[in-house]
Parts: sequence; structure tokens; C-alpha cells
Amino acid sequence: ETGVTQSPTHLIKTRGQQVTLRCSSQSGHNTVSWYQQALGQGPQFIFQYYREEENGRGNFPPRFSGLQFPNYSSELNVNALELDDSALYLCASSPIAGGGNEQFFGPGTRLTVL
Amino acid sequence: GESVGLHLPTLSVQEGDNSIINCAYSNSASDYFIWYKQESGKGPQFIIDIRSNMDKRQGQRVTVLLNKTVKHLSLQIAATQPGDSAVYFCADTGANSKLTFGKGITLSVRP
Repeated sequence: ETGVTQSPTHLIKTRGQQVTLRCSSQSGHNTVSWYQQALGQGPQFIFQYYREEENGRGNFPPRFSGLQFPNYSSELNVNALELDDSALYLCASSPIAGGGNEQFFGPGTRLTVL
Repeated sequence: GESVGLHLPTLSVQEGDNSIINCAYSNSASDYFIWYKQESGKGPQFIIDIRSNMDKRQGQRVTVLLNKTVKHLSLQIAATQPGDSAVYFCADTGANSKLTFGKGITLSVRP
């Protein structure tokens, strides 16, 4: 069984640029959630994708967007990067959508915005 | 508003002792609670979960206690080992998709 994988592991961008982060869900999981984890903080929910549609969103601006593909993999896109976007971006997959379900996390992508 | 918080930022215990990590939550609608362990450079790792219709759940060396009256959650680790050193997060969720995490507490195990 393959776990959740994310790419790239590290990324450096400058303010105003755009970035795309990628996630492959665990085998058999059709739901992917994205979280932002600032240094020294707990992860903050960005949004969840189920059946290629957004299924719940946290308090993040529209410049944070996502996609889910038929194979359940997902992308997180961030436009007009700001310094505060520097964080660890975590992807988590679960076998079904909604609350009350264990989410399995990937290792994350460390984004640095200069 | 919704928040899940931990009482102490750090906890230092002697190897072999029991560890207790406490967490308070504020959302009375939360019905599912999870403890995660996060080691440096890794994503959060599931430890144990509990649903709101339970007060206690045991795993291997870990026990989670839920007190819904005071909205309190705790994680007990028996015979703490050096490999238990990490940041621990409590998280909760209700009917929606959103996991709400606390800030995290660092567990340091002294040899």
C-alpha cells in the first residue's frame, strides 16, 4: 500500500509569483484535504476535494485554489504569493469525505516566499 | 469561535515514566477527536481517535480520555520512550470536512 506522497519537498518563490503543489492520495482513498502549517503552529484547513469538486473550505482567500483529478491526486495552487504564505503545506487523504474520518498525512511541501 | 488548544507548550518526562498531554476544545458540536504525533520534517501521524459517544479509548501504550462536560481531551502515554519525543496535536471535527488543530505541545523524553 502506497502512502500519501507530495511534491516538491521544498520550494522557494518570490512575492507575486504563483506556485503549484502536488499530492497523490493513499491507495483506495478518494478524498484529499490540504492544510497550511506555519512554523510552531498547528495545521490550518484550506480545503477538501471529493469526486473532483471542492467539499468544504477553510478561511483562506480565493487565490488559494485546487484541483482533484480522476485518479484522486490533487493540486494546490496559490497565486500572488505573499511572505506570510511561507509554511509547510500538508496533504491528507481519507477513504470517504466529511468529518469523523481518519486522515492520513503526507510529508508536506516546505514553501518559502522571499 | 472554534478553537482547540493545548494548556502547555512543552512537556519533559523521564524515560519509562507515563506522560499526560492535555487539550481543551471549544466547539460543543465536535463529535470526533484525534491525536497526532509530528516528528521533525514529517507530516502528522495518527495516534488514536475517539468519538463523542465514548469517554475512553485505549491503544498500544496510549489512552485517550474525553470529558465532554468540560470539553477536555487528554492523551496518556505509558512507559514513555525516546521515540515518543515529538510535537503532539489534538484535533477535532464535526459534520464538516474540517479538522481543527491546536497549536501543539513538544514532548521531550529524558534518558
